[in-house]
Amino acid sequence: GENVEQHPSTLSVQEGDSAVIKCTYSDSASNYFPWYKQELGKRPQLIIDIRSNVGEKKDQRIAVTLNKTAKHFSLHITETQPEDSAVYFCAASRDTGFQKLVFGTGTRLLVSP
Amino acid sequence: GAVVSQHPSRVICKSGTSVKIECRSLDFQATTMFWYRQFPKQSLMLMATSNEGSKATYEQGVEKDKFLINHASLTLSTLTVTSAHPEDSSFYICSAKGGDRARNTEAFFGQGTRLTVV
Repeated sequence: GENVEQHPSTLSVQEGDSAVIKCTYSDSASNYFPWYKQELGKRPQLIIDIRSNVGEKKDQRIAVTLNKTAKHFSLHITETQPEDSAVYFCAASRDTGFQKLVFGTGTRLLVSP
Repeated sequence: GAVVSQHPSRVICKSGTSVKIECRSLDFQATTMFWYRQFPKQSLMLMATSNEGSKATYEQGVEKDKFLINHASLTLSTLTVTSAHPEDSSFYICSAKGGDRARNTEAFFGQGTRLTVV
């Protein structure tokens, strides 16, 4: 089955810096890659997603890149703000069968003022 | 985005009792619902996948007799933790997907249920 690895597990940056979180996946049939932000005790919220027919996607300060050949994808947050502090999870799924999401291990991002 | 409501948000139960958690899609029909378990500071581990009107598919290592899942309608799935023990204490989250199954779509999450077994 699919296995998703995520690095780093923790990331501390100063406000205004950029943050990059990387994930690798094992199932070459996976073609949907969402990123979720989860604040303590709350539900994961989708912040951006990308499909395998696209190499890069951007939404304001957030961007995701995908390298299908290498089977890795990354989340880029620019001009970080303290409210970006949270745990971020990457995930991968196929578009067949149950389309179940397999999550990475999470990255705790701390943005200091 | 679509709304998924999970209830209760917190529950404390005695060891040996059963607890039912509900997951409802409020404004869309959920063709598939997923149940996850999350330990403190860890990732979401998929427990099972359920489709309306059919039996749930459990992930390896998840006891189907202990974690009973029922997906009776396109808007409701329930997870029952039977004969709960302290080691079952965890954060349980459901998610739901709807729409065209031919296209992979966003999964919407419930707010989670923190179960504490004493």
